[in-house]
Amino acid sequence: DAGVIQSPRHEVTEMGQEVTLRCKPISGHDYLFWYRQTMMRGLELLIYFNNNVPIDDSGMPEDRFSAKMPNASFSTLKIQPSEPRDSAVYFCASSSTRHLDNEQFFGPGTRLTVL
Amino acid sequence: SQQGEEDPQALSIQEGENATMNCSYKTSINNLQWYRQNSGRGLVHLILIRSNEREKHSGRLRVTLDTSKKSSSLLITASRAADTASYFCATDAIGGSSNTGKLIFGQGTTLQVKP
Repeated sequence: DAGVIQSPRHEVTEMGQEVTLRCKPISGHDYLFWYRQTMMRGLELLIYFNNNVPIDDSGMPEDRFSAKMPNASFSTLKIQPSEPRDSAVYFCASSSTRHLDNEQFFGPGTRLTVL
Repeated sequence: SQQGEEDPQALSIQEGENATMNCSYKTSINNLQWYRQNSGRGLVHLILIRSNEREKHSGRLRVTLDTSKKSSSLLITASRAADTASYFCATDAIGGSSNTGKLIFGQGTTLQVKP
């Protein structure tokens, strides 16, 4: 298995532009998580899905952020409009309820820079 | 909220020395996990210890868990320069009697091993 796949790996955009981050979880995993990591705030859980359904989006900073999971193999995190304070590394992770230990597998991350 | 807190925040040692990192948490858990993050990469699962276990070993890693003190420690023996990374503890978030599927990550300990 290729592991969790994220694209793009790097994104540089200007303030006000729409940004879409993509994630392909490990096949067969039924949980998908979106995290944001910054030096100041550490690793923050933004939203997570179970069987494609959003379970907890309390970590989503504001209405500019939205996430979807149209099927078991694809999820997007969208920021519209983007702001400089959104600059961070965004990680996607997946896990399986077959693994009762909740071990999460992380993607390589998308480094977002908003100018 | 349930939040893992690592101690120390940063640790610098010489190659060959042992490195000890501590983690505290606030609520009941089923298990506690340790993850490693190399610079610019996603987190990678290292080891898991269940709430009914007190100590676990994996290669040069030794994890202890004290549920009465709500704390855990990660010991890396005979450290190598390649162990330089950030280390995070994570606890499963128990919602009532059910497993929520998500993990609560601490802020991490940054370990530097000097050759």
